[in-house]
Order: sequence, then C-alpha cells, then structure tokens
Amino acid sequence: EPEVTQTPSHQVTQMGQEVILRCVPISNHLYFYWYRQILGQKVEFLVSFYNNEISEKSEIFDDQFSVERPDGSNFTLKIRSTKLEDSAMYFCASRKLAGGDTQYFGPGTRLTVL
Amino acid sequence: GQSLEQPSEVTAVEGAIVQINCTYQTSGFYGLSWYQQHDGGAPTFLSYNGLDGLEETGRFSSFLSRSDSYGYLLLQELQMKDSASYFCASHTGGFKTIFGAGTRLFVKA
Repeated sequence: EPEVTQTPSHQVTQMGQEVILRCVPISNHLYFYWYRQILGQKVEFLVSFYNNEISEKSEIFDDQFSVERPDGSNFTLKIRSTKLEDSAMYFCASRKLAGGDTQYFGPGTRLTVL
Repeated sequence: GQSLEQPSEVTAVEGAIVQINCTYQTSGFYGLSWYQQHDGGAPTFLSYNGLDGLEETGRFSSFLSRSDSYGYLLLQELQMKDSASYFCASHTGGFKTIFGAGTRLFVKA
C-alpha cells in the first residue's frame, strides 16, 4: 500500500539555523499539507499546497516558513531561522481529492532546536 | 475564531461501547473527520462526515449534525489496542484542517 514518507525521522539543530524537512507524498495525490504537534498537544495546521502554490496557511506559518515542491515527488518545509519553540513533531500529509477525502499522514520528523 | 471542543479523556472497559463528542465553531465549515493517534505515532484517518447523519466503518461510526455544530465518534466492541488519542478535525473548503485538542481513550480489561 502506498504511503507518505518523511526524512529525516529526527533532526537536531541549533537555534538560528535553517532546516529543511522533506516529504514524499503518495504519487497520485494532489493536495499536500504540513502540520506540527508539540509534545502532548494537538495537531496544528501549518499550510496546504495545491497546484504548485499555497492554498491556505495558518498564523503559525509566518515569514520564517516556506514550502516547495521542487520536483514531481518531493514536498519540503523550510524553517529559515529556527527558534526554541519550533521544537515539535512535523507531519506531512497528502490527499487525492478535495473535500473530505482521506488525508494520509507521514510518520513525522521530530525537530529539536537547542 | 475556529475551535473544536472534545473531552480530554474517557475510560471504558474492553468490549464496551464508547462515544466521543465534538462540538465545533468554524467558519466555512465543510465537514468533520476523526483521526486516531497512538503514542509516538502519526494520526490515522478513521472517518469523515460531509453530510448530516451516521457513517459506519466496521467497529467505528461517526455522526454529524450541522444544525447543532456537533459530531461524535462511536467505538464498539472496544479492544485494548483502541487505547489511543482521538481527534476530531474540521475542514474548511477542503484546504484547511483544524484539529481538536484530542480525547485520550483508556481501555481497561
């Protein structure tokens, strides 16, 4: 069964450094998402991406964040200058159709900012 | 603002039925989904309601009432492996998903 993959599984970085989190969505999916989850808290929407552009973004997704689909398979989240409070699990998800179709989540990347 | 309310935790015994409620206040509401998350794992899709009424998927059912801004997830024949967190999530226009804070379900033998 196809699945969403994410790399790396764990990223440790120093405050102020740039990080790029990578995702490979399911191949025939059209809608892509990034979420974050601080330990013990709820899943928070960051951004959705469709047709090579951002569809929606949350107030969390400020100028420090950017997303890109550099080729036909990868979907990346860049944090330009990490802060301590960026430490969280970051999940990528993809969906085939609009509306309520299933979102498939990747296993997540645990980001630790020191 | 956009918010979803669900109980923080629920405890039930193996074999029982449990209902997890969710009330929402979201503009541009499109539908309500339910996700399961085990500790250290990723959210896994369980069910979606775009229309009022009941959706059944095996041991799991989900209900939506748009007029009441209310939904619930029903888990039947509870098993120990059902111990996890359950999140309701509202969709707006298909591009934004807002999650509730989650309900921790403890299943006891």
